[in-house]
Amino acid sequence: QVQLVESGGDVVQPGGSLRLSCAASGFSFSNDAMHWVRQAPGKGLEWVAFIWYDGSERHHADSVRGRFTISRDNSKNMVFLHMNSLRAEDTALYYCARDPSGSGWALESWGQGTLVTVPS
Amino acid sequence: QSVLTQPPSASGTPGQRVTISCSGGSSNIGSTTVNWYQQVPATAPHLVIFKDNQRPSGVPGRFSASKSGTSASLAISGLQSEDEATYYCATWDVSLNEVVFGGGTKLTVL
Repeated sequence: QVQLVESGGDVVQPGGSLRLSCAASGFSFSNDAMHWVRQAPGKGLEWVAFIWYDGSERHHADSVRGRFTISRDNSKNMVFLHMNSLRAEDTALYYCARDPSGSGWALESWGQGTLVTVPS
Repeated sequence: QSVLTQPPSASGTPGQRVTISCSGGSSNIGSTTVNWYQQVPATAPHLVIFKDNQRPSGVPGRFSASKSGTSASLAISGLQSEDEATYYCATWDVSLNEVVFGGGTKLTVL
């Protein structure tokens, strides 16, 4: 079955960097777009970034553009989120999610999330 | 402030039908399809509707959705206690080039 497992979350000081990873299995990873979505404690869902199935196109939310970069390695079935210049407002549970081709931007499968904490 | 607007809360008794609205604009709901997610506390979100009104396999037929112009709605009929969760609408915004989520509607089963 489809499995997405995030890792790399940690406590990091403001201005610091972190790389989140998401290991995918149970589906044809190289055929699907992938997204990162975050959720601050007690808040709603906020989309962070997406990358096309072959990495040829990627988009980032305005709130993270220039600081975060999404990437993927189809040979290892993994997607990453490189986070720089972290701020207190980046504190959240970060989910990776699968977007099957032709789904109309539907995030069909989600991981359990990895927690990033940036103290204020 | 979310690009898509949802009521913060909704409620119903077991067996009732409840609807949750999602209001957007011409660059999001008016241009692309809408998806709906259910999030039970302390768990990851779960897709319940995609492409405006399609149910993924495994989602009960009690869940339905529709879209008209720049608004969409999710309906749950035969409400059950297990439906108590927060529901989010989402779509792609062609102007922002971003996926946009509604603020979420917390559904309480009384």
